[in-house]
Amino acid sequence: KNEVEQSPQNLTAQEGEFITINCSYSVGISALHWLQQHPGGGIVSLFMLSSGKKKHGRLIATINIQEKHSSLHITASHPRDSAVYICAAQLNSGGSNYKLTFGKGTLLTVNP
Amino acid sequence: KAGVTQTPRYLIKTRGQQVTLSCSPISGHRSVSWYQQTPGQGLQFLFEYFSETQRNKGNFPGRFSGRQFSNSRSEMNVSTLELGDSALYLCASSWTGTSPLHFGNGTRLTVT
Repeated sequence: KNEVEQSPQNLTAQEGEFITINCSYSVGISALHWLQQHPGGGIVSLFMLSSGKKKHGRLIATINIQEKHSSLHITASHPRDSAVYICAAQLNSGGSNYKLTFGKGTLLTVNP
Repeated sequence: KAGVTQTPRYLIKTRGQQVTLSCSPISGHRSVSWYQQTPGQGLQFLFEYFSETQRNKGNFPGRFSGRQFSNSRSEMNVSTLELGDSALYLCASSWTGTSPLHFGNGTRLTVT
């Protein structure tokens, strides 16, 4: 079983819809990253959070440390949001917290 | 402010050869981490350097190595290339390694 599980793997939405991508992890972490990767493009870091909630524009990320779960929400989705979204756990094991473990990613397609 | 620069962008090598990839971090960032991305395995952590010291290493064979110079620029080396090493290699920089990551555009390595 992967240490970081993401769902769904694929998500298709209509423009304007509210989108939620989920991430669960099974190990202790020092932080959780949400990343965005457009096809053929580089990776952009959206959020890094260790507790609570962060918001940037139409994007919101939440984390529940006790439940080992994080969500990425996109409000009023737009076709330009179409990308792969990846969560990554910054592990806190063995005294080292510099190692990232990645989910498999969620391919989001937003249709106009 | 210049972003993270990776060179070269594309590389084609033959099995058995070795390759060196370069990563120049954002000015002031002292942590550089490296990742391998393949369609099958997704993103995987290779190693992380801070102030010329490797602080953590992923589960890759010893053929994968790296170093960091005093100006924080980093190189990774893969010796005795195998077909399975074909991948997108990404580096990321951050202030400390536990702060938000900034990714380069990657080097796409093809081993024939």
